[in-house]
This record gives sequence, structure tokens and C-alpha cells, in this order.
Amino acid sequence: GAGVSQSPSNKVTEKGKDVELRCDPISGHTALYWYRQSLGQGLEFLIYFQGNSAPDKSGLPSDRFSAERTGGSVSTLTIQRTQQEDSAVYLCASSLENLNYGYTFGSGTRLTVV
Amino acid sequence: QKEVEQDPGPLSVPEGAIVSLNCTYSNSAFQYFMWYRQYSRKGPELLMYTYSSGNKEDGRFTAQVDKSSKYISLFIRDSQPSDSATYLCAMKKTSYDKVIFGPGTSLSVIP
Repeated sequence: GAGVSQSPSNKVTEKGKDVELRCDPISGHTALYWYRQSLGQGLEFLIYFQGNSAPDKSGLPSDRFSAERTGGSVSTLTIQRTQQEDSAVYLCASSLENLNYGYTFGSGTRLTVV
Repeated sequence: QKEVEQDPGPLSVPEGAIVSLNCTYSNSAFQYFMWYRQYSRKGPELLMYTYSSGNKEDGRFTAQVDKSSKYISLFIRDSQPSDSATYLCAMKKTSYDKVIFGPGTSLSVIP
């Protein structure tokens, strides 16, 4: 596609429920990144995919968070047993593997846990 | 201490002013430096990109990197109301490394 597409754009969920956030990167971009942005905080790195493998998942805050990427394209970030502190905007970005300069971001999924 | 520090603002300037946005960082391994602009409820978009020390100019925007001081700046000349956004500095150690972002500075340009 022309840009990075994320869905849903907004998600309200009850505490304790599981949620899945989807990212559809730019066609041909082999690198995919998930970041989290909380109010008043910067972008917090969560996980990086190169193709279908995740060489860096150091930013996942707990084992309730997991992500996968299939076919070198679409990625899903899953949060199990959501907590109120998980409320944030989850941003996905993609880039060409050998491109030095920055990423192209999607508009994010705004997650609210009530 | 965070790896990348940035004054959160908010910064409010009149239209036409010169704006100076700054970041400091602690890790001397950073070599690639970026500035992103983020409008409300949108994802960040890449504004400027520089490698190592020096200046880079693109229209009304100038990015400066001083690696000896671990200090980077973004200057906006003839600021416009459409420049009102949050500006995030960002950096990485190698071309294949993940990008580390500063917390962002909120800028308002008043007509």
C-alpha cells in the first residue's frame, strides 16, 4: 500500500481482556517496528522484525505482550490480560532493510483499558 | 538518566519567528540523527536526517549535530502556524539499529 496501515484506529477494552493490534507495512519494506507512546512520554521501542524473525524484542514490557509477523508483511501485536497501564498509542513503522534514514509510521492504534 | 533528553515545552512563538529545538544525549555511539514532526493524532513523520556531526539545510529547516557536546538542534526559520506540532529528536548507533526517540517538544506558532 501507499503507507503504513494500522487497525483498529481506536480500541476500548475492559481490564483483563486480550487485544490484537494489526499493522500492514509498506509493500516491500522488510523491517517493521512497534513502538508505544504514552501521554507525556516519548516513543518507547517494543519490538523489531526483519522479515518474519524478531532479532530484537527487548522492549516488550512483560510476557503479556507478544508479536508475530507472517509472510514478511502483516504484523500483529497481542496484549493478554490487559491492564490500565497498557493504555497508550501503539505505533507501527516500516523501512527498507538497507535504508539508513528513518521509518515511515502509521497513525497508530489508541488503546484505552477501562 | 534517559538516553535522549528534550525539553517538553510547550513552546509558543509568533508567526515568522525563528524556532530553536534542542536535544542532548548520553551515548557517544549514536551516529545517525533525525528529527520527526508529529501532528496531533498522527504518526511521526521524518523531517530531517543527518549522519555524524555537521549541518544540513532543507528549506526553512536546519539541523545541526555537535557530537563533541552530544547536542543536536533543529532551527525553523519564518515559522508558520502549520509548523505547530510536536518535534521529536531521534538517533541510532548503526544503520541497522533501532531508533531511540526523545520525549518531544510541543510547538505552537501563533498567527
